Amino acid sequence: KAGVTQTPRYLIKTRGQQVTLSCSPISGHRSVSWYQQTPGQGLQFLFEYFSETQRNKGNFPGRFSGRQFSNSRSEMNVSTLELGDSALYLCASSPVAGGPKTEQFFGPGTRLTVL
Amino acid sequence: AQKITQTQPGMFVQEKEAVTLDCTYDTSDQSYGLFWYKQPSSGEMIFLIYQGSYDEQNATEGRYSLNFQKARKSANLVISASQLGDSAMYFCAMREILTQGGSEKLVFGKGTKLTVNP
Repeated sequence: KAGVTQTPRYLIKTRGQQVTLSCSPISGHRSVSWYQQTPGQGLQFLFEYFSETQRNKGNFPGRFSGRQFSNSRSEMNVSTLELGDSALYLCASSPVAGGPKTEQFFGPGTRLTVL
Repeated sequence: AQKITQTQPGMFVQEKEAVTLDCTYDTSDQSYGLFWYKQPSSGEMIFLIYQGSYDEQNATEGRYSLNFQKARKSANLVISASQLGDSAMYFCAMREILTQGGSEKLVFGKGTKLTVNP
């Protein structure tokens, strides 16, 4: 079974641009979560999608958005990029969100650099 | 809200020795789950081990074991017989329920960088 895939793996953008990151979950998984990882703030929850619906969002500005398609693939978009958006963006999928041992399977991440 | 504290920014261990990575947590929930992940320099988070708050025994997965002390709210990871490939960042995390509909997230600690010396 293929793992979680994320594209692209590396991305360089300049301030003010926008970017779209893609995540393909493990086949059969319906929940997709996104996390941002920076040296200063560590790992922070961005949002979670289940059956094409955003169920929750972390404490991030409206410039961060996302969506999930009917095949469970998810995209996240960051508009008007700022230097502080430079980070590793990790996507995680779960077979069914909720439950005592809901392991989240992570992808390799997209490393975004904003110049 | 849940909180995870990892007080060791870096740890060093000799190959073939055991090492303990500390993790303490704070939660008001009666039922909760604790996870440990390994993150090599490549960036991918690799699941290592899980401990449920009602599990009577400490979790073990191969060379990984979890020293779970509920009263102290600690969930330390023990790696036995360290290998060079164990050099990585290690994160302790707790599952936080966001809504009754099942939405949840992981709350992570700051991580511990483990270096295994030959």
